[in-house]
Amino acid sequence: DVKVTQSSRYLVKRTGEKVFLECVQDMDHENMFWYRQDPGLGLRLIYFSYDVKMKEKGDIPEGYSVSREKKERFSLILESASTNQTSMYLCASRGPGPYNEQFFGPGTRLTVL
Amino acid sequence: GNSVTQMEGPVTLSEEAFLTINCTYTATGYPSLFWYVQYPGEGLQLLLKATKADDKGSNKGFEATYRKETTSFHLEKGSVQVSDSAVYFCIAGSSNTGKLIFGQGTTLQVKP
Repeated sequence: DVKVTQSSRYLVKRTGEKVFLECVQDMDHENMFWYRQDPGLGLRLIYFSYDVKMKEKGDIPEGYSVSREKKERFSLILESASTNQTSMYLCASRGPGPYNEQFFGPGTRLTVL
Repeated sequence: GNSVTQMEGPVTLSEEAFLTINCTYTATGYPSLFWYVQYPGEGLQLLLKATKADDKGSNKGFEATYRKETTSFHLEKGSVQVSDSAVYFCIAGSSNTGKLIFGQGTTLQVKP
């Protein structure tokens, strides 16, 4: 079974802190994604990566950056956390081909005070 | 633009009732269609999928048929259980970009 793990289930940070959210997948997938999930807004794509060191902006990249130094790991970085970045963050990976589903991690609930 | 529309929740049913959650999509080309389920405090899990017209996806008693003529992918289950209580997402996958187009999610509550 594909496994996608995220470094923390719950995280509390203060405004202005630099925050790292880590995601690791064990199926050698090329494509990895970061989403945030908010009540009433559903899931929104922040960034995605289709290969090592490659990244593409999603629908809401402002205030975020990403890093993909190794194929299995995709990191989301909040350079200076703000309260409006309090959310559930979900990582996903997807194998090659147009019909493959995405596999999601358990999520990190981030609270910025 | 591309979009997925699901029926609004919450949907509240008694155990063993019949479930239908409606889903329609607007997308260019031939998207793959998925139903994912999210249990409280967890990530999304794939429930079933269909990749072309008239395909039927099924899993754990849930079914959905890819209807291109009506651009729909309605989720059905003949007899729901309390353990089916969760949020269900209808999702279209772009064959061009690999990106997912999410419905808003429908909360299902099943009472004993």
